[in-house]
Amino acid sequence: AQKITQTQPGMFVQEKEAVTLDCTYDTSDPSYGLFWYKQPSSGEMIFLIYQGSYDQQNATEGRYSLNFQKARKSANLVISASQLGDSAMYFCAMRESRGNQFYFGTGTSLTVIP
Amino acid sequence: KAGVTQTPRYLIKTRGQQVTLSCSPISGHRSVSWYQQTPGQGLQFLFEYFSETQRNKGNFPGRFSGRQFSNSRSEMNVSTLELGDSALYLCASSLAGAPRAGNEQFFGPGTRLTVL
Repeated sequence: AQKITQTQPGMFVQEKEAVTLDCTYDTSDPSYGLFWYKQPSSGEMIFLIYQGSYDQQNATEGRYSLNFQKARKSANLVISASQLGDSAMYFCAMRESRGNQFYFGTGTSLTVIP
Repeated sequence: KAGVTQTPRYLIKTRGQQVTLSCSPISGHRSVSWYQQTPGQGLQFLFEYFSETQRNKGNFPGRFSGRQFSNSRSEMNVSTLELGDSALYLCASSLAGAPRAGNEQFFGPGTRLTVL
């Protein structure tokens, strides 16, 4: 089974609108971390936000927030007030407490329309 | 604090040749992971090294190998290159231990390998 599933290959959003990028995960480890990364066309992977499995509150970092629904095993990224510079690939990733391997989803390509 | 560095940034090789890519992690990071990224397959995990030992390995043929040195710097080698090995190779470093805030992977800029 896939550890990380991103079902939206491509998304479009109007500038200044909010957008939600979906991510579901699969693990039996009670302790894990969830990460979102942004990859612009330049190729660099930029860390955006982290959510721990025991965190009681949803993580927020500026315009990024993570909608963490543990029972549903989902960790959706919400970008508020989209900007043209947000156009990029977005990857959801997970790391379990056992082992150090990071599991990445297939990514979502976000395009912000002026 | 310097980020993850990868050399070279671009590389052009021909089929059958071998190539070595280098990665220097962030100071203090002992875990280094390698990924292959292609438009068709996305981001695929190659292997992870920690304290000079390979700790995790993805589903790649034996032509792909790596190693880590005592200063945590890592190299990956691809022998007998094939056209399908053309890709962006990303290196990432992280602290060891349980997942927690601040223990994310930090990526280098990648090495873009083209096999002709």
